[in-house]
Amino acid sequence: SYELTQPPSVSVSPGQTARITCSGDALPKQYAYWYQQKPGQAPVLVIYKDSERPSGIPERFSGSSSGTTVTLTISGVQAEDEADYYCQSADSSGTVVFGGGTKLTVL
Amino acid sequence: EVQLVESGGGLVKPGGSLRLSCAASGFTFSSYSMNWVRQAPGKGLEWVSSISSSSSYIYYADSVKGRFTISRDNAKNSLYLQMNSLRAEDTAVYYCARDPAAADGFYYFDYWGQGTLVTVSS
Repeated sequence: SYELTQPPSVSVSPGQTARITCSGDALPKQYAYWYQQKPGQAPVLVIYKDSERPSGIPERFSGSSSGTTVTLTISGVQAEDEADYYCQSADSSGTVVFGGGTKLTVL
Repeated sequence: EVQLVESGGGLVKPGGSLRLSCAASGFTFSSYSMNWVRQAPGKGLEWVSSISSSSSYIYYADSVKGRFTISRDNAKNSLYLQMNSLRAEDTAVYYCARDPAAADGFYYFDYWGQGTLVTVSS
């Protein structure tokens, strides 16, 4: 299997734009997915197939991909967006891998 | 409304066994691949195992291969994880999660349960 690398932490002020990156050698060939997890809660899917947003997820959440790096962008960050964010991908055999997670702090 | 409810967690001694269950409702369980994902205290997410809708395809993380067995009963809308030879490092919250598109070759999770805590300690 392979690894996905995320920064441990990102900090932004309310109203600013947060960008969380995820790097992995297989990302040019495999889709990436993003989950938000708040303390004591189960993860929630916020982006799938690199840039698609599930119903019910605010438009301020977006995803993009370039080469071996995918990026989760949160525009106009709100206090409620403070959480851990995990990227995830899989190889062609169905083996799933998660990034180590990024703690987003809203200052 | 999709619901996934895990049960069966608890305290077990190293080397012991435990069987987790996940009761599904609100969707056609037999049409979806299902997964177990775990999270050690204060740590990140780790995929554990997946099973296709008809149980034809089963995959495990290397960390649990040979010790854990995933299964499902579509008649009972239930997913299971039999965990044997448990180690301290298996201590985690175990989530069951639905994969909406595994049949199309996309592996991700659109619904998660609230998790059940497994503690392996003497």
